[in-house]
Amino acid sequence: GAGVSQSPRYKVTKRGQDVALRCDPISGHVSLYWYRQALGQGPEFLTYFNYEAQQDKSGLPNDRFSAERPEGSISTLTIQRTEQRDSAMYRCASSPLAGGRHTQYFGPGTRLTVL
Amino acid sequence: QKEVEQDPGPLSVPEGAIVSLNCTYSNSAFQYFMWYRQYSRKGPELLMYTYSSGNKEDGRFTAQVDKSSKYISLFIRDSQPSDSATYLCAMSLNTGNQFYFGTGTSLTVIP
Repeated sequence: GAGVSQSPRYKVTKRGQDVALRCDPISGHVSLYWYRQALGQGPEFLTYFNYEAQQDKSGLPNDRFSAERPEGSISTLTIQRTEQRDSAMYRCASSPLAGGRHTQYFGPGTRLTVL
Repeated sequence: QKEVEQDPGPLSVPEGAIVSLNCTYSNSAFQYFMWYRQYSRKGPELLMYTYSSGNKEDGRFTAQVDKSSKYISLFIRDSQPSDSATYLCAMSLNTGNQFYFGTGTSLTVIP
């Protein structure tokens, strides 16, 4: 079946612009996660949802970052007033059940470049 | 100190060799331990998943967890060129959903 998809795959923007990154999880998956992965590093947790409820946003770097999942399916990660340091690969993952004991399936990521 | 430490490599081995990949961690509350494989320009894909201490084998792959030493390992037997990728360890608590990842070890298997 279809895996996790993300769009756009690549985004180049100018400093100060807002960007919205989309994640389409595996159908029926309860939990959805956002990570940021710098080159040569492992994914770094940003936030996660169970259904439409945001359960933990402790990994969001600052208040320019926000995420939503209004209908418990597709999620959007929004970065306002982008800065060069926001440049990274942003990855989404989904899990069929809630709880850290359940495996997460990753999407291909969105490569964000802030000029 | 990072929650999870992993040697980034790179590691280069001849085809057929046994590969050993390792991670150490600082939080004794971690209960679930995973190994992900990440090919270039792709997202991580789950390889192995272990709960608490012990060994788990799946084909050519064996995962070991030593909670007393806060040390986990992934062994690859009869390594193949197709095993060339970055291997990420990840772990999580019994509660909550956050995964803590290592930096990944880059592996190249030379034909």
